[in-house]
Amino acid sequence: DIQMTQSPSSVSASVGDRVTITCRASQGIRSWLAWYQQKPGRAPELLIYGASTLQNGVPSRFSGSGSGTDFTLTISSLQPEDFATYYCQQANSFPLTFGGGTKVE
Amino acid sequence: QVYLVESGGGVVQPGRSLRLSCAASGFTLSEHGVKWVRQAPGKGLEWVAAISYDGRNKYYADSVKGRFTISRDNSRNTVDLQMNSLRGDDTAVYYCAKGSMGGLDVWGQGTTVIVSS
Repeated sequence: DIQMTQSPSSVSASVGDRVTITCRASQGIRSWLAWYQQKPGRAPELLIYGASTLQNGVPSRFSGSGSGTDFTLTISSLQPEDFATYYCQQANSFPLTFGGGTKVE
Repeated sequence: QVYLVESGGGVVQPGRSLRLSCAASGFTLSEHGVKWVRQAPGKGLEWVAAISYDGRNKYYADSVKGRFTISRDNSRNTVDLQMNSLRGDDTAVYYCAKGSMGGLDVWGQGTTVIVSS
């Protein structure tokens, strides 16, 4: 199984800050990487797929990069509505696996 | 509007069964693969099962293999998750989600399963 390791597990940030979250796969997954945002009591929402493609309707302050084993989610200027937990997920092979999550607070 | 709705959650005793259902609205579910993902209280996301658009291919997490069965009825635009031999560690919010380009782009609101005596 492919293990997904996210770091940090939590980050303290302020509005306007640039926030970077990393995700490392235990083996190469090409660009089969998605990022999600989840707020308390809500279902996750897809932000990015294919490692760097922004889902329709997602603000351009979110961006993704990487391929192979190392990936990054960047929020260029944190907004109040961005305080949430973020997950990466590999879609290269079954079983699908998620990172442990990064809470932005 | 495009969305998914899960149903069938509840409180069940260990060893018993429960059947979850996922219904689509605003799009044709039969054109897409569907996944079930769960989230235990205070924990992260865990993929549970997946089914291809035509129902031919099914995949399961090791933690549920042999106990859970995913199926679909494209005539009703639904995907079901039959859960047998439930255990305490199956307690979670269960989400169904539509697959697209490697991501899960449409999610239901979730249905809660509590396994307790």
